[in-house]
This record gives sequence, C-alpha cells and structure tokens, in this order.
Amino acid sequence: ILNVEQSPQSLHVQEGDSTNFTCSFPSSNFYALHWYRWETAKSPEALFVMTLNGDEKKKGRISATLNTKEGYSYLYIKGSQPEDSATYLCAFGPGNTPLVFGKGTRLSVIA
Amino acid sequence: EAQVTQNPRYLITVTGKKLTVTCSQNMNHEYMSWYRQDPGLGLRQIYYSMNVEVTDKGDVPEGYKVSRKEKRNFPLILESPSPNQTSLYFCASSSRPYREGDTQYFGPGTRLTVL
Repeated sequence: ILNVEQSPQSLHVQEGDSTNFTCSFPSSNFYALHWYRWETAKSPEALFVMTLNGDEKKKGRISATLNTKEGYSYLYIKGSQPEDSATYLCAFGPGNTPLVFGKGTRLSVIA
Repeated sequence: EAQVTQNPRYLITVTGKKLTVTCSQNMNHEYMSWYRQDPGLGLRQIYYSMNVEVTDKGDVPEGYKVSRKEKRNFPLILESPSPNQTSLYFCASSSRPYREGDTQYFGPGTRLTVL
C-alpha cells in the first residue's frame, strides 16, 4: 500500500512568519506530485503539479520544491497571512494507480 | 465560469434507501473521479473514469456504483447506503489523467449522513 506522509499534522504561526511543511512519498515509480490548498467549507484548490526532480514552483508567496530521488517535497509560505490559514494537501501520482493523498497539514495563521 | 458542480451539497438519509449524487463539469474534461474524505484519513478515491463509458475502481469502491454516459456527468450511486458511508464526498475532473500530472478541479463537496 502506497503511503504519503505529511508533517507536521498542524501548525500555528504568527502573521508575518515564514513557514514550511513536508510531503514524503515513495521514491520509486514516480509520476507527479500535487499540492492543494483546502479552506474550511470549500473544496481543494490546486496549487502546483510537479513532475520533474528538482522542480521548483512559485505562486505569489507560496513555493514548492521536489526531490523525487529521496521522495519528498517542501511547501514554503513566506510572510504568512491570516488568509493562508487552510489545510495543505499533497498527492502522489505513481504511474499505474490513482492519486494517493496525504492527510494534510492544517495551518493556522494568527493575526 | 469553469467549474465542477455537485448535488446535493448536504443529504441525510436512512440505511438502504438508494441515492444518487450528481457531478457535472463544464470544462470538457475527459477524466473524472470521486473521492471520500473521512476524519483522520486522506482523500480516498472511490471510482474514476478516463472517458465516456470507461470507468474503473479506485481504492474504496465497495458499496458504490458510477456511470459515465456523457462526458460532462459522472454520478455516484449508492444502491443501499449504510452508516459507514457517512462521509464528505468530492467529485473532481481534469483534462488528462493523474498519471500525466494534470491538475484536478474539485467540486464543492457533498456531506452525506446515513442513519
């Protein structure tokens, strides 16, 4: 059974702090790594899809890196704002089975 | 506006009473899927469809059925719902299958309670 681990499970930061969290996935048979942002009472919204080792993606204050050889991806948020409060999900796409989602990191940004 | 819609958004029903949750996308996507979200677990895929008339089981298909008669619609059918199917359900679509790394668009979710 494929396992995708996200850490930490939850995180509280002060407004203005920068933060990062981790997604770990099997390093074999890699195809794609997805990051989603999921606000309470809304549906998950895609942030990044990463397919190449060494990929770095950026969207405003949020960026992500990918290491497929060691099986991890980092999501960084620079200068956290209260509107960044959400659960951040990663999903691993192996080549032959459906996407496997992690349980998410719940971020709370305190003003 | 590009979107995935689901209906109903909330449903309380009783054990054994057949129900259907509809899902529709207006982006001409080929790939659609259904997930369930339960506390302490990640999103788990129930069924997916690569194109019209092509469906396949995901990780947790037991107790569910789907159909894909038209490209835009992908209903989820619970023939005889049971309390362990109480969950938050999401429909998603993308222009290419997950294997090719294309992003998925999620519907707003359907919260189902089976008494």
